[in-house]
Amino acid sequence: NAGVTQTPKFQVLKTGQSMTLQCAQDMNHNSMYWYRQDPGMGLRLIYYSASEGTTDKGEVPNGYNVSRLNKREFSLRLESAAPSQTSVYFCASGLYGTVQETQYFGPGTRLLVL
Amino acid sequence: AQKVTQAQTEISVVEKEDVTLDCVYETRDTTYYLFWYKQPPSGELVFLIRRNSFDEQNEISGRYSWNFQKSTSSFNFTITASQVVDSAVYFCALSEASRVVQGAQKLVFGQGTRLTINP
Repeated sequence: NAGVTQTPKFQVLKTGQSMTLQCAQDMNHNSMYWYRQDPGMGLRLIYYSASEGTTDKGEVPNGYNVSRLNKREFSLRLESAAPSQTSVYFCASGLYGTVQETQYFGPGTRLLVL
Repeated sequence: AQKVTQAQTEISVVEKEDVTLDCVYETRDTTYYLFWYKQPPSGELVFLIRRNSFDEQNEISGRYSWNFQKSTSSFNFTITASQVVDSAVYFCALSEASRVVQGAQKLVFGQGTRLTINP
């Protein structure tokens, strides 16, 4: 049981390049999330997916797109990376309405945009 | 609007001291959920506790305890007899029931408190 996995662990991009961050969970959770973590600002929600086939914007969606490929996988795409997107990105999954209700986070992807 | 404030940016104490991390939240909902997460130097986020708004009973888990007070909108976290392994960034987070969409629970995080335990 790996929980939530993310790839890659670290990436360096040049301004204008594109890339996709991958996330997968094996806990059979319905909802999945992408957050970014910046110094002094905690984590902020970028996009979320309540269930397979649905996605919606969070607090800071500009410059990103997402795909909920199936129940397990939720990817985050940067079409044209900007230095302001330098951050640590966390994927999470969760169940609501259960005694185990919480979100479980992946190990994070550290992204540097030059 | 929902908001979480962790006013203590950094705390440094000597091992075996007790330390309290403050968390103040704002919400208009009557039903909401509060969380604490730990982020050790390795970077992952580790879930510590969830508390529902209708359950004000304090929680103790080993050296960790949580004091939830609706009257002051606070959910403070105390580590008793701190250890070097407690060194981490700690985040408090809030989720409002009204903002749950089809089971997706959107967390709002505080800025985090970096706790350093010195030997």
